[in-house]
Amino acid sequence: GAGVSQSPSNKVTEKGKDVELRCDPISGHTALYWYRQSLGQGLEFLIYFQGNSAPDKSGLPSDRFSAERTGGSVSTLTIQRTQQEDSAVYLCASSLGTRNEQFFGPGTRLTVL
Amino acid sequence: AQKITQTQPGMFVQEKEAVTLDCTYDTSDPSYGLFWYKQPSSGEMIFLIYQGSYDQQNATEGRYSLNFQKARKSANLVISASQLGDSAMYFCAMRENTRSEKLVFGKGMKLTVNP
Repeated sequence: GAGVSQSPSNKVTEKGKDVELRCDPISGHTALYWYRQSLGQGLEFLIYFQGNSAPDKSGLPSDRFSAERTGGSVSTLTIQRTQQEDSAVYLCASSLGTRNEQFFGPGTRLTVL
Repeated sequence: AQKITQTQPGMFVQEKEAVTLDCTYDTSDPSYGLFWYKQPSSGEMIFLIYQGSYDQQNATEGRYSLNFQKARKSANLVISASQLGDSAMYFCAMRENTRSEKLVFGKGMKLTVNP
């Protein structure tokens, strides 16, 4: 079966522009996570969706970041007015539910010029 | 304070030898989970092994085993019979309590397997 997919794989944008990153989780997985990985660093949690519950947004670094998950499946992470420090690889993961291992997508490499 | 500590920035091992990757963690909750992920140069995070805080046995998955020492708060990954394809970044992660589903990651360490 298909794994987690993300698009685009690479995104180069100018400072101040908005970007949208997309994640398609594994079919049937109810939990979806977004993480950010800066160069040479570990992963930083951003946001988590579980079923119809309110998302855990505790990791979003500023109000320029937002995410939604439509129909309990596809998720979009939006970064408004991008800054150079937003440059990173954005990773999406999904799992069958709570307390299960998370399966990661290939990531979107965002470069803000 | 760091919740996951991986102190080894990099390690080298000869093919077919065993290697231990260190991880210490910090949580005050009695119920937590520990994970190891591998990240090859392609960038994808690959799940390797999981250890629950209440598990009685150390977790094993093929060539991977987890040396779980609860009192010392360490969860070291042991790779037996290293292969060239094991060369990658390795990340230790923790789900720190039952209320949170997010994973907290260490900074990772780079393993290089030499022929």
